[in-house]
Amino acid sequence: GAVVSQHPSWVICKSGTSVKIECRSLDFQATTMFWYRQFPKQSLMLMATSNEGSKATYEQGVEKDKFLINHASLTLSTLTVTSAHPEDSSFYICSALAGYGYTFGSGTRLTVV
Amino acid sequence: GENVEQHPSTLSVQEGDSAVIKCTYSDSASNYFPWYKQELGKRPQLIIDIRSNVGEKKDQRIAVTLNKTAKHFSLHITETQPEDSAVYFCAADDQTGANNLFFGTGTRLTVIP
Repeated sequence: GAVVSQHPSWVICKSGTSVKIECRSLDFQATTMFWYRQFPKQSLMLMATSNEGSKATYEQGVEKDKFLINHASLTLSTLTVTSAHPEDSSFYICSALAGYGYTFGSGTRLTVV
Repeated sequence: GENVEQHPSTLSVQEGDSAVIKCTYSDSASNYFPWYKQELGKRPQLIIDIRSNVGEKKDQRIAVTLNKTAKHFSLHITETQPEDSAVYFCAADDQTGANNLFFGTGTRLTVIP
């Protein structure tokens, strides 16, 4: 089946630094990648939708200058959390539409200290 | 965009009993309704889904029903087992063309041995 590989699985960074999260579709072309954020004991909240070769579409309330999304190829989408702060600590997960349904990456636990 | 509500937020059942989780959605144009099971810190796993041209779908102990007129759908788990304990999310797609998937708030199911 369709697989999305997400890295890193966890990262700890200092406040003010930037962190890049990668999602790769391994056996299919992901024209569209969805990025979600999940705080502890809460639901997955859609942050943005990225389409290969075009600018990402951000959900209301999500700062596009803080959460940079790049979808330069059909198999790679990246999310960069710039100038991270402790309140950005969360579980970030990507998802791609693959054939019949959606396939999810394994998630990235970001902790900003 | 789509708004998905999910109830209950927590559910405890005795092993062998049935569990029912209900969701409502706002966008009458939505036509794809998946259910996910998520264990702590892991990616959501699709357990069953239904499309708007079907009223009910069953897969062994799991079934989903859809009422498009009332805009609600439900997950039914029969003969529950301790390994069914997890957080369950319903979701609905939107039909704006972006294929976004919007999640309910989640239900923490505990099956008591």
